[in-house]
Amino acid sequence: KNQVEQSPQSLIILEGKNCTLQCNYTVSPFSNLRWYKQDTGRGPVSLTIMTFSENTKSNGRYTATLDADTKQSSLHITASQLSDSASYICVVTLRNSGNTPLVFGKGTRLSVIA
Amino acid sequence: SQTIHQWPATLVQPVGSPLSLECTVEGTSNPNLYWYRQAAGRGLQLLFYSVGIGQISSEVPQNLSASRPQDRQFILSSKKLLLSDSGFYLCAWSVLYGGSYNEQFFGPGTRLTVL
Repeated sequence: KNQVEQSPQSLIILEGKNCTLQCNYTVSPFSNLRWYKQDTGRGPVSLTIMTFSENTKSNGRYTATLDADTKQSSLHITASQLSDSASYICVVTLRNSGNTPLVFGKGTRLSVIA
Repeated sequence: SQTIHQWPATLVQPVGSPLSLECTVEGTSNPNLYWYRQAAGRGLQLLFYSVGIGQISSEVPQNLSASRPQDRQFILSSKKLLLSDSGFYLCAWSVLYGGSYNEQFFGPGTRLTVL
């Protein structure tokens, strides 16, 4: 069964600290993996995308890693800011799956406090 | 550039009342359109998707329905709302790129509360 599991479910960190969110998937055949940021009450917005051959991708203070062998990904946030408070969703795309190729994780809710 | 709109932004409805949520996309042609529901503390659940005008596929059986009267318009409806229909409803669009529908772009969402 195609699944995406994220951990932790929620996380609270102090402003300025770093954190790492985890994503494990059992999706096959794999096409790519995205991390989305979803602010409260808003739609998700894509942060990074990685294909099978990429093992790291950065977007400002966000760095995503991918280990296609172990089917794990992480999202590292450096020097967190209050505006980083949001849900972070890991989404894996199935290859050759027509019109509904996305498998969503349930997200990690991050709270950054002063 | 492409934009996606949803309205209303928030809605409070009594049980048994009808529902109509609207989604429109600008700046693209013949997109795939999707309706998702996100319940509190849960992931995104795909409800419907459409590959063209009048073409609707349902992923989860329920008392909701969807329609696509125009290329860039997607409507989510119900004749009688249930308490369990409460949630955050997201519309998304996607286009064929490199032979597949890889990325979906989400609208701002509608928060529905059924009392």
